[in-house]
Amino acid sequence: KAGVTQTPRYLIKTRGQQVTLSCSPISGHRSVSWYQQTPGQGLQFLFEYFSETQRNKGNFPGRFSGRQFSNSRSEMNVSTLELGDSALYLCASSESGTGEEKLFFGSGTQLSVL
Amino acid sequence: GQNIDQPTEMTATEGAIVQINCTYQTSGFNGLFWYQQHAGEAPTFLSYNVLDGLEEKGRFSSFLSRSKGYSYLLLKELQMKDSASYLCAVREGTGFQKLVFGTGTRLLVSP
Repeated sequence: KAGVTQTPRYLIKTRGQQVTLSCSPISGHRSVSWYQQTPGQGLQFLFEYFSETQRNKGNFPGRFSGRQFSNSRSEMNVSTLELGDSALYLCASSESGTGEEKLFFGSGTQLSVL
Repeated sequence: GQNIDQPTEMTATEGAIVQINCTYQTSGFNGLFWYQQHAGEAPTFLSYNVLDGLEEKGRFSSFLSRSKGYSYLLLKELQMKDSASYLCAVREGTGFQKLVFGTGTRLLVSP
């Protein structure tokens, strides 16, 4: 099985722009979650989707949004980019997102905001 | 909410044993995970504990004490390739997938 695929791998944007990141989960996985990773804060939970529904959301401003499609692929969008949004954005998938399932992570999208 | 604490950095020698500690304060607990992350790569799953005690998996073991809010990851027979960041994460709640991560422990293994 192919792993979790995230595109693009690198992105450079300027303040005020918006960006869309894409994530394709492992085949058969229906839960997709997103994390922001920065050197000082570590991984912070953004949101989780299951069957096209957002089940939980972290403490991020409304500029951060996401969605999930019927094939479980997910996108996240950040509008009005700020310098502090520079980070590695990781997507993770699991079969149903419950129990003791482990998360499988993608290699991430490195976003730089100038 | 959750607060996860782990040391920022540790060093060890090839062939040695190292223990990485993690303490957590939680308003809800549904399991503790350890992940390994090499620089520039995706985090990969190492272990999961939901009940008290030790889980052993080859050179890696993980321990959990729920009453103390404490876990550790034990790495034996260290190899150079074990140089990486080790992330402790607590699963919060049920019915959804949300992990709260510590900031990670960077382990440097020297010859």
